[in-house]
Amino acid sequence: DGGITQSPKYLFRKEGQNVTLSCEQNLNHDAMYWYRQDPGQGLRLIYYSQIVNDFQKGDIAEGYSVSREKKESFPLTVTSAQKNPTAFYLCASSIRVGKGGELFFGEGSRLTVL
Amino acid sequence: AQRVTQPEKLLSVFKGAPVELKCNYSYSGSPELFWYVQYSRQRLQLLLRHISRESIKGFTADLNKGETSFHLKKPFAQEEDSAMYYCALGHYQKVTFGTGTKLQVIP
Repeated sequence: DGGITQSPKYLFRKEGQNVTLSCEQNLNHDAMYWYRQDPGQGLRLIYYSQIVNDFQKGDIAEGYSVSREKKESFPLTVTSAQKNPTAFYLCASSIRVGKGGELFFGEGSRLTVL
Repeated sequence: AQRVTQPEKLLSVFKGAPVELKCNYSYSGSPELFWYVQYSRQRLQLLLRHISRESIKGFTADLNKGETSFHLKKPFAQEEDSAMYYCALGHYQKVTFGTGTKLQVIP
């Protein structure tokens, strides 16, 4: 079954803790993305990667970090420096490098900071 | 900087009425525009893109470069169209989304 898998679906963390969200794709896509979705604010780009071992900051990268060691995987770490981490996080991938092509999304991960 | 604006947070229409979801963009180059849809309990997915000039589920969208708009239209709304709709702009490696419009079709 091809697609994008995000885990966990729900995650709770205490303030001051780092947490890593997993994103795996078996679509053989080169590009991968992390978005944050908040009510009334739409989707905001955190980080994106066009190729293995390379990634770029999006519009709201502060307090987040990523890695792209394998084509299939693009994990996102929400660090303790992120001031408002409670949100819904969406991972996406795209076959196109260059102008934005169709994005395929995962089901999302909801992070709640207690 | 590129920007996508969807002025309506919520749009309520009666079944059978026409629908128009507004989207305006600002971008200095030649834009690539999309509409994405998120139905209840489903993943966000592509509805249509301007380069395809196609009609999906009865929806169409025309790129108007003069007005920098890419409004989504459907002549007769159906209950199953109720969902969250996002306009998006592709530019080089990035895809920028608007804040979304919730379409509510009243039976």
